[in-house]
Amino acid sequence: GESVGLHLPTLSVQEGDNSIINCAYSNSASDYFIWYKQESGKGPQFIIDIRSNMDKRQGQRVTVLLNKTVKHLSLQIAATQPGDSAVYFCAENIWGYGNKLVFGAGTILRVKS
Amino acid sequence: DAGVTQSPTHLIKTRGQQVTLRCSPKSGHDTVSWYQQALGQGPQFIFQYYEEEERQRGNFPDRFSGHQFPNYSSELNVNALLLGDSALYLCASSDRGHRQETQYFGPGTRLLVL
Repeated sequence: GESVGLHLPTLSVQEGDNSIINCAYSNSASDYFIWYKQESGKGPQFIIDIRSNMDKRQGQRVTVLLNKTVKHLSLQIAATQPGDSAVYFCAENIWGYGNKLVFGAGTILRVKS
Repeated sequence: DAGVTQSPTHLIKTRGQQVTLRCSPKSGHDTVSWYQQALGQGPQFIFQYYEEEERQRGNFPDRFSGHQFPNYSSELNVNALLLGDSALYLCASSDRGHRQETQYFGPGTRLLVL
């Protein structure tokens, strides 16, 4: 299949370990943030979101942390599995009579068995 | 519950031609956004449609235009294709187009311009 993210940073983790993927955003006015997972040849898949009135949100095996002071997001994946291998993007939602998502650069996650 | 669907999956065109890509939103959604994703990069916002009107537009030339139909489906048209238009074109849908509404993506259309 196609290779998405030829020049993106790569995080390699051992199966069963925890993964942390970091992201910086640009707009101080952004109040909604989303993490997406993109597998080769597919569209981005929603993982988890967080609103700016929160600093932490947990899902199934995933946790998102938001630090508005330094405009930083992180995605933590517990007990990483081979199926987690993909490109991960953070996106900030910018409202201006309609929503547009501004995506970060993306990180390739490789899970070693 | 049907997700976002896009057609065609792949398309090959030559420079100067025109192309139309199609998108059907997720069931219950009425807002459609289009994104362009070049290889190795994150998606870039093209525009968003709600109630058959373009509400917000990214930094794309007028060669990129769109339409939304009464059934909420949408088309993206690109005229006078350039080699640089080769990319994965993604459609995303959301509900009501309100602030902080999650956008869900389709599988994309891979366009190759020769």
